[in-house]
Amino acid sequence: SQTIHQWPATLVQPVGSPLSLECTVEGTSNPNLYWYRQAAGRGLQLLFYSVGIGQISSEVPQNLSASRPQDRQFILSSKKLLLSDSGFYLCAWSVPPTNSWVNEQFFGPGTRLTVL
Amino acid sequence: GQQVMQIPQYQHVQEGEDFTTYCNSSTTLSNIQWYKQRPGGHPVFLIQLVKSGEVKKQKRLTFQFGEAKKNSSLHITATQTTDVGTYFCAGRSTGNQFYFGTGTSLTVIP
Repeated sequence: SQTIHQWPATLVQPVGSPLSLECTVEGTSNPNLYWYRQAAGRGLQLLFYSVGIGQISSEVPQNLSASRPQDRQFILSSKKLLLSDSGFYLCAWSVPPTNSWVNEQFFGPGTRLTVL
Repeated sequence: GQQVMQIPQYQHVQEGEDFTTYCNSSTTLSNIQWYKQRPGGHPVFLIQLVKSGEVKKQKRLTFQFGEAKKNSSLHITATQTTDVGTYFCAGRSTGNQFYFGTGTSLTVIP
């Protein structure tokens, strides 16, 4: 069966420090991978998605970046964190979307980031 | 860019009352999904709708996709305390990405 891992679970970082969040998927190959951010009490904002190794699409211009060095590894990074980067970061995977079958997104447990 | 709005943002109901959340997209959707997020948890998939006017049921939950494929609704009959959480719709147009709605937070008062 497929599983998705995210770490760390919680993180407290000072403003201006770098960030690296990692997400890995097991039990599937060539998944679509997604990074979302959820501010407290708010909806999910799509940050990046990837359809393959080295292929990253950015949805929101900001000081964050994403990389996919391996098929089932997705990394979210920042060189210098801002206060506004605080939030709940969720990684998700799905099979490539079509209308032919259900392509639900499976979410990881999330990383709660607080920038002070 | 694509926007998906949900109303209401919050809903408090007495246990046993019905609940409905509505989702509206600025663009026509290929399909729409619904997710539930329990407090402190991550979103969990409930269902996907694809066809215009489609209606699907899961026990006390009824999901509808509008004829124009720009809106959707989730209706819960006779709410229970286990229904507590935030319900999100997520719409896809033509690409690989889904755009999540703003969510409706449901509180059920026993």
